[in-house]
Amino acid sequence: DAKTTQPPSMDCAEGRAANLPCNHSTISGNEYVYWYRQIHSQGPQYIIHGLKNNETNEMASLIITEDRKSSTLILPHATLRDTAVYYCIVDNNNDMRFGAGTRLTVKP
Amino acid sequence: GAVVSQHPSWVICKSGTSVKIECRSLDFQATTMFWYRQFPKQSLMLMATSNEGSKATYEQGVEKDKFLINHASLTLSTLTVTSAHPEDSSFYICSAGGRALNIQYFGAGTRLSVL
Repeated sequence: DAKTTQPPSMDCAEGRAANLPCNHSTISGNEYVYWYRQIHSQGPQYIIHGLKNNETNEMASLIITEDRKSSTLILPHATLRDTAVYYCIVDNNNDMRFGAGTRLTVKP
Repeated sequence: GAVVSQHPSWVICKSGTSVKIECRSLDFQATTMFWYRQFPKQSLMLMATSNEGSKATYEQGVEKDKFLINHASLTLSTLTVTSAHPEDSSFYICSAGGRALNIQYFGAGTRLSVL
């Protein structure tokens, strides 16, 4: 069973920041927070992951609350190609289970 | 990022036949590979974990005799759907544990249609 809760869908205007929330209130101390996305009919793509600190890479930023019970994935300047299902996963033993994810639609 | 190749990308077969799907890590060694199944408009469901040189660990409800997994080397795992039936039609996706800590890299998926 997935250990995370995400809104089923979100919209974002092209060029604006997309902020995708994730609740993981039962996360344990050694579990990481991972974000993947799946564009229609493709395999999931790794985006970013973190343990306690906020993280940033060329794709996105990950903000993890101090109590680690929730996190937010930020796509700073969303494009139409960012339309996908975004999955937030918590894992510590390389045993990734996917929840329902958030379907992000970027609109012109 | 690391590359995982999955083949074939699309296969149609007759009911009762077997289908083999290959998953290769092209530029890294993967001691563990994972197999998922995804039905339309649903999320990925973990089927099994494949460890190089040992038997796969199947999730509850997944028939090990129907979905044969072999992980003979550090770069190749195969999933064979034996005696396929129309209800086995699905999108099958593999992933491999990457070089960095606990990052999985995914193949492009195989769409199986059983007639």
